[in-house]
Amino acid sequence: QAQLVQSGAEVKRPGASVKVSCKASGYNFSGYALHWVRQAPGQRLEWMGWINPGNVKTKYLQKFQGRLTMTSDTLATAVYMELSSLKSEDTAVYYCARGLSSGWTTTAFDIWGQGTVVTVSS
Amino acid sequence: DIQMTQSPSSLSASVGDRVTITCRASQGINNYLAWYQQKPGRVPKLLIYGTSTLQSGVPSRFSGSGSGTDFTLTISSLQPEDVATYYCQKYNTAPLTFGGGTKVEIK
Repeated sequence: QAQLVQSGAEVKRPGASVKVSCKASGYNFSGYALHWVRQAPGQRLEWMGWINPGNVKTKYLQKFQGRLTMTSDTLATAVYMELSSLKSEDTAVYYCARGLSSGWTTTAFDIWGQGTVVTVSS
Repeated sequence: DIQMTQSPSSLSASVGDRVTITCRASQGINNYLAWYQQKPGRVPKLLIYGTSTLQSGVPSRFSGSGSGTDFTLTISSLQPEDVATYYCQKYNTAPLTFGGGTKVEIK
């Protein structure tokens, strides 16, 4: 069955970068957009952006422009989320999630990774 | 950007009660509205998309309705396993914003 498996927890210093991976299996990797969503402790879910592995196009939330990069590797069937210039406010659980509808980027999310805890602390 | 506002932020109800959660968009989003359930310490789970379409495997006691800017998630008979935080999400255009969440507890 389709699943997303993310890389493990990270602890970073302020100003550093973090790169989280999300490996997909069990479905046509190029056919579905993958999104990144984060959740700070006790806070709401925050959509960060998407990457369409089929054409490698990305869309980021405006607040992350300039320090967020999403990439994909078709051979590895994986996507990556790199966030730079980390601040304490970036401490959160980061999720990758698959778009429900093949070929669409604006869609609900039907499959989620298990989450990756990123802690930013000096 | 369109803002998504949920109410109430929390509620407590008895097993068997009918529970209603509201989500309001600051502008019309057609029917591009999804609902997710997040149990404590767990990954969000898609319940409903397209305002009212139940995701496969979701119990029929969950239902969604609404249009334009006002949407509702209803649990027809609350069960102990429904204790969770529920989020709405708009997905008509980017950004794909989530509501603030509604925490549901058992009285």
